[in-house]
Amino acid sequence: DQQVKQNSPSLSVQEGRISILNCDYTNSMFDYFLWYKKYPAEGPTFLISISSIKDKNEDGRFTVFLNKSAKHLSLHIVPSQPGDSAVYFCAAARFGNEKLTFGTGTRLTIIP
Amino acid sequence: DVKVTQSSRYLVKRTGEKVFLECVQDMDHENMFWYRQDPGLGLRLIYFSYDVKMKEKGDIPEGYSVSREKKERFSLILESASTNQTSMYLCASKVGTSTDTQYFGPGTRLTVL
Repeated sequence: DQQVKQNSPSLSVQEGRISILNCDYTNSMFDYFLWYKKYPAEGPTFLISISSIKDKNEDGRFTVFLNKSAKHLSLHIVPSQPGDSAVYFCAAARFGNEKLTFGTGTRLTIIP
Repeated sequence: DVKVTQSSRYLVKRTGEKVFLECVQDMDHENMFWYRQDPGLGLRLIYFSYDVKMKEKGDIPEGYSVSREKKERFSLILESASTNQTSMYLCASKVGTSTDTQYFGPGTRLTVL
């Protein structure tokens, strides 16, 4: 049972435009959400997070939006750059629990 | 900088062999994790450890065991490797608070023939 889903396996975006990556979850007990970025032959690296008491968190070009009623979060990258080409994983957790549940990943390709 | 290292980048083993994957972190983190990454399935948690000699099953522990004798080292053991254990294995570590970031190693690509 996939509790965290990323329904788009891949996404291509022109350089300079906005990239929007989506993630849905089914477990309403999740109260903390993260995005990780993974380049080939490297481990995932943390990008940005949001707790369920917020609906938006921003860090430079990256913004994560959380819609609790829809159990949906999205990652916006503006403007997109070639170095953003990678696989992006969303993950969810419960406060006090060390486990992360990851989505299936979305491969983002930025076209120069 | 947090450093998580894994003993091998690539490993080829035969069915039935016992396989050890080693992970070492240098930041005195309490928690360590083993995941496998497969296409279309994302990262799935195999086992994690929140202290020396402590372990908890993740979502897919079958066919695996772990060992944590020292705080900095977390080993994943495949007692009898099978072809369906061909995968990318990723180790991660983090401090004790639940909202802290997990830091990942570069991964071990294991092929079981």
